[in-house]
Amino acid sequence: DIQMTQSPSSLSASVGDRVTITCRASHTISNYLNWYQQKPGKAPKLLISTASNLQSGVPSRFSGSGSGTDFTLTVSSLQPEDFATYYCQQSYSTPWTFGPGTKVEI
Amino acid sequence: QVQLVQSGAEVKKPGASVKVSCKASGYTFTIYAMHWVRQAPGQRLEWMGWINAGNGITKYSHKFQGRVTITRDTSASTVYMEVTSLRSEDTAVYYCARVNGSSWAGGFFDMWGQGTMVTVSS
Repeated sequence: DIQMTQSPSSLSASVGDRVTITCRASHTISNYLNWYQQKPGKAPKLLISTASNLQSGVPSRFSGSGSGTDFTLTVSSLQPEDFATYYCQQSYSTPWTFGPGTKVEI
Repeated sequence: QVQLVQSGAEVKKPGASVKVSCKASGYTFTIYAMHWVRQAPGQRLEWMGWINAGNGITKYSHKFQGRVTITRDTSASTVYMEVTSLRSEDTAVYYCARVNGSSWAGGFFDMWGQGTMVTVSS
């Protein structure tokens, strides 16, 4: 199975900050890497697919990059509604696996 | 609009089975595969398996092979996920999620159900 790790596991930030979250895969996954945002008690929401494709309706302050084993999610200017947990997920091979999450707190 | 609506919370005893439903609306049901993902309290999301809603072909995570069965009813645009021989470690929120793209590689979860809490306790 492909193992996914994320760093940091949590971070404290302020509104307006630039935030970067890193995701690493244990084996190369090409660009088959997706990012989700989850708020407490809610289902995850897709932000970015295939490493860098911003989903319709997702603010442009979110961006993704990377390929192979190393990926990043960047929020250029953190907004109050962005405080949540972020998960990366690989769809290169089954079982599809998720990272442990990065909790972004005020 | 596209919507996935899951059945309500369940409380089960160890050794029992649970069947969770996921009703799709707002799109052509048979075109997309449906996956199941669970999340134990405070844990990461865990992929369980999927079904091709068109032809009924399924694939399961080896972790759940033999204990999880995913089926679908095309007339009702509903997918079901049954877990047998429940144990306390199966306590989790179970989500159905529609995949955009290939379920073999490269797909992504573009729509999620609201989640169903399954509690396993004696």
